[in-house]
Amino acid sequence: DVKVTQSSRYLVKRTGEKVFLECVQDMDHENMFWYRQDPGLGLRLIYFSYDVKMKEKGDIPEGYSVSREKKERFSLILESASTNQTSMYLCASSSGGWSSPLHFGNGTRLTVT
Amino acid sequence: GQQLNQSPQSMFIQEGEDVSMNCTSSSIFNTWLWYKQEPGEGPVLLIALYKAGELTSNGRLTAQFGITRKDSFLNISASIPSDVGIYFCAGQGSDYGGSQGNLIFGKGTKLSVKP
Repeated sequence: DVKVTQSSRYLVKRTGEKVFLECVQDMDHENMFWYRQDPGLGLRLIYFSYDVKMKEKGDIPEGYSVSREKKERFSLILESASTNQTSMYLCASSSGGWSSPLHFGNGTRLTVT
Repeated sequence: GQQLNQSPQSMFIQEGEDVSMNCTSSSIFNTWLWYKQEPGEGPVLLIALYKAGELTSNGRLTAQFGITRKDSFLNISASIPSDVGIYFCAGQGSDYGGSQGNLIFGKGTKLSVKP
């Protein structure tokens, strides 16, 4: 089975802090994604990557950046955390073409105070 | 951009009842996926549909790719307490003008099952 591991289940950070959310997948998938999930808004794509060192903006990239230095690892960075970035963050990976199903991690619930 | 309308937003049902939820769009999709998310977990793929008109089952779950390619439904028969969770539809359309080829998610249907 594909395993997508997010390093933290819960994080509490202060406004203005730099925050790193880490995600690792063990199935050699080319594509990796970061979503945020908010009640009533569903899943919204922040950034995705289809190869090492490649990144593409999703629907809501503002306030975020990403890093993919190795194929198995995709990091989401909040340069200066704000309270409106309090959310559940989900990492996902997929192989092959764009119609390949996503495999999700268990999420990181980030609270910014 | 393309949007998916998923309904209902929530359902409260008795154990043993059948459940039906659907997703519609004004745009055409090439792929429909249905995911389930249990509390504290990430979404897990239930059923994938790749062809218009396709009807696919996975145990008590049945999903169909609408013939117009603009909708999909998911049915759960004889619900049980472990069916509780949020069900998401997701579609992928070739004409999506945003992040090329990426999935668009519905807002989810929250299912509660009373024993």
